[in-house]
Amino acid sequence: AQSVSQHNHHVILSEAASLELGCNYSYGGTVNLFWYVQYPGQHLQLLLKYFSGDPLVKGIKGFEAEFIKSKFSFNLRKPSVQWSDTAEYFCAVNGAGGSQGNLIFGKGTKLSVKP
Amino acid sequence: DAMVIQNPRYQVTQFGKPVTLSCSQTLNHNVMYWYQQKSSQAPKLLFHYYDKDFNNEADTPDNFQSRRPNTSFCFLDIRSPGLGDAAMYLCATSEGYNEQFFGPGTRLTVL
Repeated sequence: AQSVSQHNHHVILSEAASLELGCNYSYGGTVNLFWYVQYPGQHLQLLLKYFSGDPLVKGIKGFEAEFIKSKFSFNLRKPSVQWSDTAEYFCAVNGAGGSQGNLIFGKGTKLSVKP
Repeated sequence: DAMVIQNPRYQVTQFGKPVTLSCSQTLNHNVMYWYQQKSSQAPKLLFHYYDKDFNNEADTPDNFQSRRPNTSFCFLDIRSPGLGDAAMYLCATSEGYNEQFFGPGTRLTVL
């Protein structure tokens, strides 16, 4: 079955700490991978995406993610978090090549950054 | 700014009373989606329109219907809401099956 697993439900960090949020997926075939962020009271926004090419992708606000095909992983990283990064982060996957509309989400990881 | 708009942001209905949620977009995208997100869970796709073609997910209850009268608007109709239908309903759009843009959601309460 197609699924996305996010390892941490809630992560608490101090400002300037490094961040890594885990994401593993189970999906037959070639995939597109996404990280979405939802700031408190706001809508889901795309943080970054991987379709093909360089497996290390850079997104907005200093975030990056690395696609490791052999591990079916797409972990999100940021070297130094800020209080404003407090949000919920969702990893998502769909079929590559535009064949499928079904975006499968993980359950999300809530990040709290202490000032 | 181009965007996805959902109205209302909060909707309260009574058990069994039909309710309609609205989504509009100024992105001129050809695909529109409806997701259901319950507390502490991942968004779950209910259905989507690719242009005028309706695509229902296999496990979406018949209680949920959708209409897309034109490119810009898409409605979610819940014919007989139950307590279990209380959730956040998210609308999203995309151009083809690419990056999806989400609206702010409508939080539905069923009394």
